[in-house]
Amino acid sequence: AQSVTQLGSHVSVSEGALVLLRCNYSSSVPPYLFWYVQYPNQGLQLLLKYTSAATLVKGINGFEAEFKKSETSFHLTKPSAHMSDAAEYFCAVSAPGSSNTGKLIFGQGTTLQVKP
Amino acid sequence: EPEVTQTPSHQVTQMGQEVILRCVPISNHLYFYWYRQILGQKVEFLVSFYNNEISEKSEIFDDQFSVERPDGSNFTLKIRSTKLEDSAMYFCASTGGSYNEQFFGPGTRLTVL
Repeated sequence: AQSVTQLGSHVSVSEGALVLLRCNYSSSVPPYLFWYVQYPNQGLQLLLKYTSAATLVKGINGFEAEFKKSETSFHLTKPSAHMSDAAEYFCAVSAPGSSNTGKLIFGQGTTLQVKP
Repeated sequence: EPEVTQTPSHQVTQMGQEVILRCVPISNHLYFYWYRQILGQKVEFLVSFYNNEISEKSEIFDDQFSVERPDGSNFTLKIRSTKLEDSAMYFCASTGGSYNEQFFGPGTRLTVL
C-alpha cells in the first residue's frame, strides 16, 4: 500500500526566501509522485510530477522537486518565494501496476504562508 | 484550455436526502475519479471509473454511493441517503492515461444539515 507524509502542516517564509516543503512516501513498487497546489476556492493544479525519468523535476512557477529513493523523499523547493505562492500544497503518490488504476494517495497538505 | 467542470459549486441538503454531484471531464479523457476532502483533512480517493465501469473504490465508497456516466460527457456521483459526515468538498478528476496528470475540477462543497 502507498502512503504519503508531509512534514509541517504550515510553513511560513518571507518573500524572496527559499521555499522547502517536505514529502516522504511509502510504496511497495517504484512510485509516480506528484505535487499539486490549491489556491483558495479553486481545484487542484499540477505543479510537477516524477514518473521514473530524471530525478530532478522542474515544474511550473519556478518550483522543482528531487526524487531521492534512498530517503523515500520528494521535497518541493523554490529558490525565491513570491506572495502569489501562498496556497495549500499537496504531495501525492500513485503506484503503477496492473492492479492499480492511477488513483492518487495524498498527503495531509502544507499551507504555505508568504510574508512581505 | 480544456478544463474539468463541476456543478453545483455548493449544495446544501438535509440528512437522509439524495444528492447528485455532476462533473464534465475533459472530452478526450478516458479515466475518471472522485475524491473528497473533509474540512481540515487530506484529499481522499473515493472511486475510479474506466470503460463504463468502476475500476477501483475505497472503503469510503459504500452502498450509499454510486457513479455513472449517463451520456458520454457527464460523470456523476450520487449519494442515496446523506449523512452528516458526508459534508465535504468533492472533487472530480480526469486523465487521458491512468498515470498521466489528473485534471481536477473546482469542487462541489456539500453541506449536510
